[in-house]
Amino acid sequence: DSGVTQTPKHLITATGQRVTLRCSPRSGDLSVYWYQQSLDQGLQFLIHYYNGEERAKGNILERFSAQQFPDLHSELNLSSLELGDSALYFCASSVLDSGNTIYFGEGSWLTVV
Amino acid sequence: GQNIDQPTEMTATEGAIVQINCTYQTSGFNGLFWYQQHAGEAPTFLSYNVLDGLEEKGRFSSFLSRSKGYSYLLLKELQMKDSASYLCAVPLSGSARQLTFGSGTQLTVLP
Repeated sequence: DSGVTQTPKHLITATGQRVTLRCSPRSGDLSVYWYQQSLDQGLQFLIHYYNGEERAKGNILERFSAQQFPDLHSELNLSSLELGDSALYFCASSVLDSGNTIYFGEGSWLTVV
Repeated sequence: GQNIDQPTEMTATEGAIVQINCTYQTSGFNGLFWYQQHAGEAPTFLSYNVLDGLEEKGRFSSFLSRSKGYSYLLLKELQMKDSASYLCAVPLSGSARQLTFGSGTQLTVLP
């Protein structure tokens, strides 16, 4: 157990809908990262927050957004869902802003039907 | 830019030794990470190399050559539970903030 908690573990929703994935980082970690892993692709970096501020954006679609709250938990919002958004979404956390090991949560399986 | 190459698949026998290679291209270097990922599970941290040489940690060792843009993960005394995907990752060029992962090497350990 890495100490990173993600909910829900599994989610099935219809195309066009909106979902919110939630992440609680390890105790003491200030950084939260979101990654997407599809069956045919590796881990794709989406976005990074540090202490409530957005630090970096990767291959994140405009239909997706995220935020980190004062208590350091983070939410990833996925809207206007498409079949291709079906994937495993991982949250990871680390102590520092950069140059350190990141620890992954168990992931949220999203299936869009 | 960022480019990470790993073999897609490898097969080895229980009790044997296997070496998983990773080559990378990055305009700035801030260390290299190895993660293990079992199917459908979270990646778990294995090792971090920032200086050249071999880092040993139990049955797993990781080597880095910064001048060659090359790393390998060495797994000794293979066990069936070592069957997994092994991911090489480096921080994005120009920023140490987020890790870019290779596509992973799927290792199958046979009895």
